[in-house]
Amino acid sequence: KQEVTQIPAALSVPEGENLVLNCSFTDSAIYNLQWFRQDPGKGLTSLLLIQSSQREQTSGRLNASLDKSSGRSTLYIAASQPGDSATYLCAGDSGGYNKLIFGAGTRLAVHP
Amino acid sequence: GAVVSQHPSRVICKSGTSVKIECRSLDFQATTMFWYRQFPKQSLMLMATSNEGSKATYEQGVEKDKFLINHASLTLSTLTVTSAHPEDSSFYICSASGSFNQPQHFGDGTRLSIL
Repeated sequence: KQEVTQIPAALSVPEGENLVLNCSFTDSAIYNLQWFRQDPGKGLTSLLLIQSSQREQTSGRLNASLDKSSGRSTLYIAASQPGDSATYLCAGDSGGYNKLIFGAGTRLAVHP
Repeated sequence: GAVVSQHPSRVICKSGTSVKIECRSLDFQATTMFWYRQFPKQSLMLMATSNEGSKATYEQGVEKDKFLINHASLTLSTLTVTSAHPEDSSFYICSASGSFNQPQHFGDGTRLSIL
């Protein structure tokens, strides 16, 4: 059964810092690994999707990597901004079936 | 991009009331829809998966008679919380996928508060 863990649970940084958010998963037979952003009281915004044949994806200041052998994914945020403040969730599916298992999230606060 | 609309965004009602939440895919056909529940400061937990025209598949520990799911068309799924109690208060989020292994697109969620 797929289990997803995110570290750290919370992070508070000054504006401009480069950040690394970590996600680990137990089942290496993962098909998709996805990173989402959730603002308070809101739904999810998909940030990056990495399929099993890929090792990383980039979008603007965001870069996500996937290492299936070690069961890890990282989300790198360059030059953080106050608008990046939100909860970041990673989710992996379970062996090719489109059923996402979510981590508990990292609550990010970027202060001016 | 793919848009999923969820309605209502917030519901406050008395204990014992049944509440229906709608999830619509606006610009694509969703063969599969998912319903999640999120308690405060916790992550999303999958409740059930529904395929158009079939009975929903519920996750372990989720009462199918309590949480009725209908996916009668390729653009609409509904979740009905029957005889809701305060412990059912939560944030409910739906997602929709065009086909197996296509990304899920999420609605904005419904905040359910049972008094």
